[in-house]
Amino acid sequence: DTGVSQDPRHKITKRGQNVTFRCDPISEHNRLYWYRQTLGQGPEFLTYFQNEAQLEKSRLLSDRFSAERPKGSFSTLEIQRTEQGDSAMYLCASSPRGSYGYTFGSGTRLTVV
Amino acid sequence: AQTVTQSQPEMSVQEAETVTLSCTYDTSESDYYLFWYKQPPSRQMILVIRQEAYKQQNATENRFSVNFQKAAKSFSLKISDSQLGDAAMYFCAYRDTGTASKLTFGTGTRLQVTL
Repeated sequence: DTGVSQDPRHKITKRGQNVTFRCDPISEHNRLYWYRQTLGQGPEFLTYFQNEAQLEKSRLLSDRFSAERPKGSFSTLEIQRTEQGDSAMYLCASSPRGSYGYTFGSGTRLTVV
Repeated sequence: AQTVTQSQPEMSVQEAETVTLSCTYDTSESDYYLFWYKQPPSRQMILVIRQEAYKQQNATENRFSVNFQKAAKSFSLKISDSQLGDAAMYFCAYRDTGTASKLTFGTGTRLQVTL
């Protein structure tokens, strides 16, 4: 068990480009969450998966954002046509069935220039 | 919607002293969970302590303890015998009891530990 892994740790992209982040949760965790954290703020919820089903999406998740979790394993978060306002830390967390505990990854820091 | 408020953007404590970080929240639920997370410069959120709202007894984890006042919707964190390694951002978070429920975080308190 290596914890929750996120890749890449840092991403710098030009405005208008597409980016994709990956999260590998702890293997037995069926629930997976994405959060966004901007400078000086606490993390804000983006979306949640239970197994492969995306069960909840925040209004923060505009139509430029899409998340998937094929086969209920790893998850990807894609941002299309990035904007400077997308610059933030993107955190992934996972949680096992029947638990209210979360394990967080170290995040992907996105900088849009 | 639930909200979590941390009114202390920064706090400072001397090594070996005690410090208390404040948190208030708003909810219409009677049962829920509250958490304190630590985020060091390495960025990974680490659970410090959690409290179930139905439990009257305040949670304690080694040098960390909480003062949970349900009626006042207050959930403060006390760190005793502060250590240099305690320096980090501390976030208070709330969660409903639903199985799919997400965490709602406050804006955080940056704790500095001085010699």
